[in-house]
Amino acid sequence: GENVEQHPSTLSVQEGDSAVIKCTYSDSASNYFPWYKQELGKRPQLIIDIRSNVGEKKDQRIAVTLNKTAKHFSLHITETQPEDSAVYFCAAYSGGGADGLTFGKGTHLIIQP
Amino acid sequence: DAGITQSPRHKVTETGTPVTLRCHQTENHRYMYWYRQDPGHGLRLIHYSYGVKDTDKGEVSDGYSVSRSKTEDFLLTLESATSSQTSVYFCAISEPDPGYTFGSGTRLTVV
Repeated sequence: GENVEQHPSTLSVQEGDSAVIKCTYSDSASNYFPWYKQELGKRPQLIIDIRSNVGEKKDQRIAVTLNKTAKHFSLHITETQPEDSAVYFCAAYSGGGADGLTFGKGTHLIIQP
Repeated sequence: DAGITQSPRHKVTETGTPVTLRCHQTENHRYMYWYRQDPGHGLRLIHYSYGVKDTDKGEVSDGYSVSRSKTEDFLLTLESATSSQTSVYFCAISEPDPGYTFGSGTRLTVV
């Protein structure tokens, strides 16, 4: 089955700086890669996703890049703000069965004032 | 709201008692999932369903059972709760487009 590794587990950046979270996946058949943000005590919510036919996708201050050859994808947040503080999960979907997404273990992003 | 609700939101139960958590959706989505979330482990799949009465096990299914008698409801049962099942439980729904919508979660404490 699919295996997703996510790094780092904790990331602390100064407000206004950029943050990068990286994930690798094992199944070359995976074709959909979403990112979820989970604020303390809340549900995970989809913030951006990318499909395997696209190398990069942007939405305002966030972007996701995908390298299919290396089987890794990354989340980039620019001009970080206090409200970006949360746990971020990457995930991969291989489409081979009904068991859905495989998640990374999460990154706790801390924005220092 | 997101079209998916979980109940109860919080529950404290004693070791050895049965517990049932409910996930209800109004989106008519085919796929439903139960995850548990624990520090250091992220989201781990317990069971999933791909239609009425069609369910299968995830990676951490021991001690859990599920049922789906209607499209809108997916029940997770702990037959005999143990302290290791203290966790936050999330339900999620999706269509063949695999993006998930999560419920608000159930915080379960087994004492």
